[in-house]
Amino acid sequence: AQSVTQPDIHITVSEGASLELRCNYSYGATPYLFWYVQSPGQGLQLLLKYFSGDTLVQGIKGFEAEFKRSQSSFNLRKPSVHWSDAAEYFCAVGTTGGGNKLTFGTGTQLKVEL
Amino acid sequence: GAVVSQHPSRVICKSGTSVKIECRSLDFQATTMFWYRQFPKQSLMLMATSNEGSKATYEQGVEKDKFLINHASLTLSTLTVTSAHPEDSSFYICSADTGGYNEQFFGPGTRLTVL
Repeated sequence: AQSVTQPDIHITVSEGASLELRCNYSYGATPYLFWYVQSPGQGLQLLLKYFSGDTLVQGIKGFEAEFKRSQSSFNLRKPSVHWSDAAEYFCAVGTTGGGNKLTFGTGTQLKVEL
Repeated sequence: GAVVSQHPSRVICKSGTSVKIECRSLDFQATTMFWYRQFPKQSLMLMATSNEGSKATYEQGVEKDKFLINHASLTLSTLTVTSAHPEDSSFYICSADTGGYNEQFFGPGTRLTVL
């Protein structure tokens, strides 16, 4: 069974600073990988996804993520964080078989200091 | 495109009553819909997967008789929490699958509070 680990429960960065949120996955085949963002009391918004091809994926709101098979990682990055980026971020892995289930990590709470 | 709505956004009910939550795909047909539960400051836990016209598939540990799921059409799935108790209070989120590449589109969630 697949699993996702987000080692950082909380991260605080200053506005304008760079950001990297870590995500490690466990899955026997080539995974489908996703990053979602959740604002308080809201559903999830897809930031970006990786299915195949270029391992550096660009997403919305200036985010990008890099798939590194050798490290089983899919870290999310942003060069300059804005105060509005404060939210909960979830990494998820999807199966390539039937069922299309997603397995989520425990999330990373991002706080942005002004 | 790919908008998913949920209704209601918030519901407060008394213990022992049943609550129905609707999940609709507004601009696409969803072959599969998923129901998640999220406790405060925790991740999303998949409760069940529903396909139009067939019985839902529940994850281990989820009570089928307590969380009734109906997927009557390609754009609507409902979750009914039967005989709700305070421990059922949670944030329930649905998602819909367009059928390609595992991509799910999420509804805004429903906050259930059982008194």
